[in-house]
This record gives sequence, structure tokens and C-alpha cells, in this order.
Amino acid sequence: AQKITQTQPGMFVQEKEAVTLDCTYDTSDPSYGLFWYKQPSSGEMIFLIYQGSYDQQNATEGRYSLNFQKARKSANLVISASQLGDSAMYFCAMRELQGGNQFYFGTGTSLTVIP
Amino acid sequence: DAGITQSPRHKVTETGTPVTLRCHQTENHRYMYWYRQDPGHGLRLIHYSYGVKDTDKGEVSDGYSVSRSKTEDFLLTLESATSSQTSVYFCAISESQEPFRGAFFGQGTRLTVV
Repeated sequence: AQKITQTQPGMFVQEKEAVTLDCTYDTSDPSYGLFWYKQPSSGEMIFLIYQGSYDQQNATEGRYSLNFQKARKSANLVISASQLGDSAMYFCAMRELQGGNQFYFGTGTSLTVIP
Repeated sequence: DAGITQSPRHKVTETGTPVTLRCHQTENHRYMYWYRQDPGHGLRLIHYSYGVKDTDKGEVSDGYSVSRSKTEDFLLTLESATSSQTSVYFCAISESQEPFRGAFFGQGTRLTVV
């Protein structure tokens, strides 16, 4: 079974609007972390935000927030007030305490912000 | 920015030749990883290291070997390059094994096997 599933290969959003990128995960480990990375066309991987499995509140970092629904095993990324520079690939990832220390990645969502 | 340097950044090589990619970090992080990125597959783990001389295989390790003789360097070797190994390779580092610690990535190496 896939550890991380991103079901939206491509998304479009109007500039200044909010957008939600979906991510579901699969784990039986009670201790895990969830992460989002941005990959612009230049290719580098940029760490955006993380959520720990024991965190009671949703993580936020500026215009990024993580909608963490533990029972549903979802960790959606919400980008508010989209900007043209937000156009990029976005990857969801997970790391488990018992998981041999590796990070599992989804297949990514390509976001295009329309002026 | 985390101090991670990958070299070379671009390489074209012929089928059957050995290739070594280098990852160098200045953060003294214990964990180092090699991933490959291919369209439709996201990032897939090739090998990782949890200390000097301590390495383990990831999900796509066939055809690859690694070595870590110093904390700061993690080498990925393609013993005999094949066209299916044409990809973008990323090195990543992480400070500890805690699941709440993220990974930081190098800028990637674009490898083309012809």
C-alpha cells in the first residue's frame, strides 16, 4: 500500500484565491511527522511546513497551513492568497518513528496560479 | 539554507560506465539519503545512511551502491549505468531520527545515460 497518496496531478487557482492540495497517508505507527515540500521549475526542494502526529493544532507558516485530520489520515496543504510564485510542484511526505528513518513521498501535485 | 552540495550538477554518461555522485554536507547531520525523482513517481529512496559506514537499502536500490566514510560525505555509485537510471538524483540530510524532524535537500543532479 502507498504510504502517501496525492490524488491531484494538476491544480489551477486564480491569483489571490486560496487552494487546497490533498494528501492522505497510511501508517500504523502512532509517532510520525508529515511534511510538505515545494519544487519550483528551477528544481530545488523547499521545505514548507510540518505537522507532528501528536500536535493538537494545525501547523501554520505564513500563507501555508496544514489541515490535519488524524482520524481520516489526511494532511492537506492550504495556500491562502495565491501568488504567481506559488506555481510549482508540491510534495507531501511522511516520516515514521519505526520506519527506518526514511521519508516517504507522494507523487506530487502541479499547481498553476493563473493571473 | 542547509549546507548541502551535490556534485556534479549535470552529467551525461554512456551505458555501461560507472558513475559516482557526491553529496557533501556541512551541517554534521547524522542521516543522509539518496532519492531519485521521475515523472509520475515522486521521490523514491535509493539508499540511506544513519552514520559513518552505516547504510541501508531503499525501495529502488538495485544497480546502486553507496559509501559513507566520513560524516560529511555520502557517495552514490551506479556500477554500470543503464538508460533506466536516467533521472534527477537528490541528496537529503536530517539531524536526528525523530519523525518530527524534516529533511533538507541538495539542489539535485541531472543524470542522463545514453
